[in-house]
Amino acid sequence: NAGVTQTPKFQVLKTGQSMTLQCAQDMNHEYMSWYRQDPGMGLRLIHYSVGAGITDQGEVPNGYNVSRSTTEDFPLRLLSAAPSQTSVYFCASSYERRGLQYFGPGTRLTVL
Amino acid sequence: DQQVKQNSPSLSVQEGRISILNCDYTNSMFDYFLWYKKYPAEGPTFLISISSIKDKNEDGRFTVFLNKSAKHLSLHIVPSQPGDSAVYFCAASAGSNTGKLIFGQGTTLQVKP
Repeated sequence: NAGVTQTPKFQVLKTGQSMTLQCAQDMNHEYMSWYRQDPGMGLRLIHYSVGAGITDQGEVPNGYNVSRSTTEDFPLRLLSAAPSQTSVYFCASSYERRGLQYFGPGTRLTVL
Repeated sequence: DQQVKQNSPSLSVQEGRISILNCDYTNSMFDYFLWYKKYPAEGPTFLISISSIKDKNEDGRFTVFLNKSAKHLSLHIVPSQPGDSAVYFCAASAGSNTGKLIFGQGTTLQVKP
């Protein structure tokens, strides 16, 4: 099993550009989440999904969109990137609602 | 409003000694707590968890203690090893319907040889 994979590893965007961060898991987990990690702020939940077709907002959802068309994939979209979205983004999945989450290796995003 | 707080940004201990990492929470609805460990340039990995029906959970060198009345949990690492040097995050969840985790800010542990 590859576990949770994320692409790309690194990305530099200009303000106003759009992009999609990809996340995939091969463990047949129902629950998937996106977090961002910023210095001194820990990991903050952006969006999460409890199954295909079902998504909900986390703590810091503004500026991000998600969809979940399959169990395996949970992409995160930035429609108009802003410097405040410079961060490290982690995707995670879990096989039960309150179970431990498996994290991907992260995507380091810089918005100029 | 930080619902999960790790007030010590960093901790340094000598190899072989005990490391104690602390975490406080404010939401009384939290009923499941986890500790994650993170190395640079990697994703967090699960370390140990505890349900609110328990006050202690042990796994090898790692023990988590939960004090519900004080809304406080701690992670003890005994004995500490240089390979334990990493950032440690505590996380909490409320109820069983969402799979949401709320994380603290993290504590950087350095274990000196």
